Amino acid sequence: DTAVSQTPKYLVTQMGNDKSIKCEQNLGHDTMYWYKQDSKKFLKIMFSYNNKELIINETVPNRFSPKSPDKAHLNLHINSLELGDSAVYFCASSQVRSAEAFFGQGTRLTVV
Amino acid sequence: KQEVTQIPAALSVPEGENLVLNCSFTDSAIYNLQWFRQDPGKGLTSLLLIQSSQREQTSGRLNASLDKSSGRSTLYIAASQPGDSATYLCAVIPNAGNMLTFGGGTRLMVKP
Repeated sequence: DTAVSQTPKYLVTQMGNDKSIKCEQNLGHDTMYWYKQDSKKFLKIMFSYNNKELIINETVPNRFSPKSPDKAHLNLHINSLELGDSAVYFCASSQVRSAEAFFGQGTRLTVV
Repeated sequence: KQEVTQIPAALSVPEGENLVLNCSFTDSAIYNLQWFRQDPGKGLTSLLLIQSSQREQTSGRLNASLDKSSGRSTLYIAASQPGDSATYLCAVIPNAGNMLTFGGGTRLMVKP
């Protein structure tokens, strides 16, 4: 039973398109995150949600928007995709001021 | 701003060796430190979590230590096996927030 699951696993799309990545956790955690892993494999926080409220928002372009319909889900919407958005995006969850963080398997986004 | 550094960036050892991976962080005011493993093309698997009040944590052949005052953590792997080959990442959570700040990782290769 996957704790943190994200879909799709691979996403190839053209520049200018709008796309979404879904994330769900069944751990009952209060906080969910999105991280970006660039081509050099460096992981950086994008933002996190705690009880439906955005509590951290790194300086990411406003083309990226998190959407949390409930505590178990945090989806990532990206508008007007650019080549530089190509990366692996990871969803994660934890209790507030955790406790361990648990990660999904990642979504490899390729913008062509 | 918290910065996390991992040395070495890559390490190759023969099977059976004991080895140490290093992680250093610039701001000693951390809430906890977490070690992860990432296999190629896969997500992150949590290995060990050390709370700021703890000195070490052990799980099987893995032992992680934490020295907050010097801003260092080590991950000790005993009797390494080819299946241990992966990238090992350390990450810290600062007191002021709950976002993980990652190091660049150490890519480990254990040769049979």
